[in-house]
Amino acid sequence: DAGVIQSPRHEVTEMGQEVTLRCKPISGHDYLFWYRQTMMRGLELLIYFNNNVPIDDSGMPEDRFSAKMPNASFSTLKIQPSEPRDSAVYFCASSPGDSKFYEQYFGPGTRLTVT
Amino acid sequence: ILNVEQSPQSLHVQEGDSTNFTCSFPSSNFYALHWYRWETAKSPEALFVMTLNGDEKKKGRISATLNTKEGYSYLYIKGSQPEDSATYLCAFSDLGATNKLIFGTGTLLAVQP
Repeated sequence: DAGVIQSPRHEVTEMGQEVTLRCKPISGHDYLFWYRQTMMRGLELLIYFNNNVPIDDSGMPEDRFSAKMPNASFSTLKIQPSEPRDSAVYFCASSPGDSKFYEQYFGPGTRLTVT
Repeated sequence: ILNVEQSPQSLHVQEGDSTNFTCSFPSSNFYALHWYRWETAKSPEALFVMTLNGDEKKKGRISATLNTKEGYSYLYIKGSQPEDSATYLCAFSDLGATNKLIFGTGTLLAVQP
């Protein structure tokens, strides 16, 4: 298996532009997680899905952020409009089951820079 | 607000030294505790998933223990090697949000050859 795939790996955009990050989880994994990593806050969960349904989006910073999972093999995280403070590394992770028994598998991350 | 604390923040050891670090988490409503290893320029990789009080897990030279009653976990590395250099993260979830992992800020380990 190729592991969790994220694209793009790097994104540089100007303030006010729309940014879309993409994730393909490992086949057969029922859970998908979006994380943001910053120096100030470390690794924080933004949202997670179970069987394509959003379960907990309490970590989404504000209405500018949205995430979708239209099918079991694809998810997007969208920021519109983007702001410089959104600059961070965004990780997608997937898991085959509940956290009591299964670890999460992380993708390589997307490094976002908003100028 | 749930808080996961790791100590020390960073650690420098010589090759061959054994080392350990601590993860502290809320002891009430415990659900699961994860350890991840995060090398520079890579993504986190899972080491252990732990759920039972008194649990002890081992992978090669790395082992971990769990005390859910007092809210801590230890990670041990025996005979550190330069390739062990990484940030070690622990993450906790509770009964209120079982799949929402709260990550600590990690312990950065540097092993000098």
